[in-house]
Amino acid sequence: EAAVTQSPRNKVAVTGGKVTLSCNQTNNHNNMYWYRQDTGHGLRLIHYSYGAGSTEKGDIPDGYKASRPSQENFSLILELATPSQTSVYFCASGPSWGANSYEQYFGPGTRLTVL
Amino acid sequence: QQQVRQSPQSLTVWEGETAILNCSYEDSTFNYFPWYQQFPGEGPALLISIRSVSDKKEDGRFTIFFNKREKKLSLHITDSQPGDSATYFCAASGGYAQGLTFGLGTRVSVFP
Repeated sequence: EAAVTQSPRNKVAVTGGKVTLSCNQTNNHNNMYWYRQDTGHGLRLIHYSYGAGSTEKGDIPDGYKASRPSQENFSLILELATPSQTSVYFCASGPSWGANSYEQYFGPGTRLTVL
Repeated sequence: QQQVRQSPQSLTVWEGETAILNCSYEDSTFNYFPWYQQFPGEGPALLISIRSVSDKKEDGRFTIFFNKREKKLSLHITDSQPGDSATYFCAASGGYAQGLTFGLGTRVSVFP
């Protein structure tokens, strides 16, 4: 079954440390996205990608980097984690062609706590 | 400033009733409007969506009504079931491959 998976599902990090969140999709989708979800803010777009090797800034990219080494994998990197980055992070994938080209399918999320 | 607004924040209905969730948006370039359903501890799941060229989209018990002139849309859940208890998010996009702009959600509780 086509799916979006994320790892780890839970992560506790220290302030100033480096954190890498990973996402893998078997949907064969070109487009991938990273969002964070916070109470009072809903889901907000951090970075997205049109395909392997590409990354684009979303609405709130500051403090985050992204890497798309392959069609299937998209990582979110926090070089210097801060407590304000404590959140639930969701990865999504979407097709780049056809009638469903606007759709996005989400993974189960990673709960990140920065102490 | 919230680009996509949802109301009410929470909604309680009895089993069998129709739940009506409202959404409005600011950006006139938005042309794709999906609704997502999210259960606690899970990711959002695409429920139903509509493009701005249509004014209605139906899928089983879920119907979107869209008013482009007023920049408003609504999700109707008919014959509500306890399993429909979840948070529903309205989202919008202005084009292919663009990220989605989400509202803050409506928490729906369906009591038997």
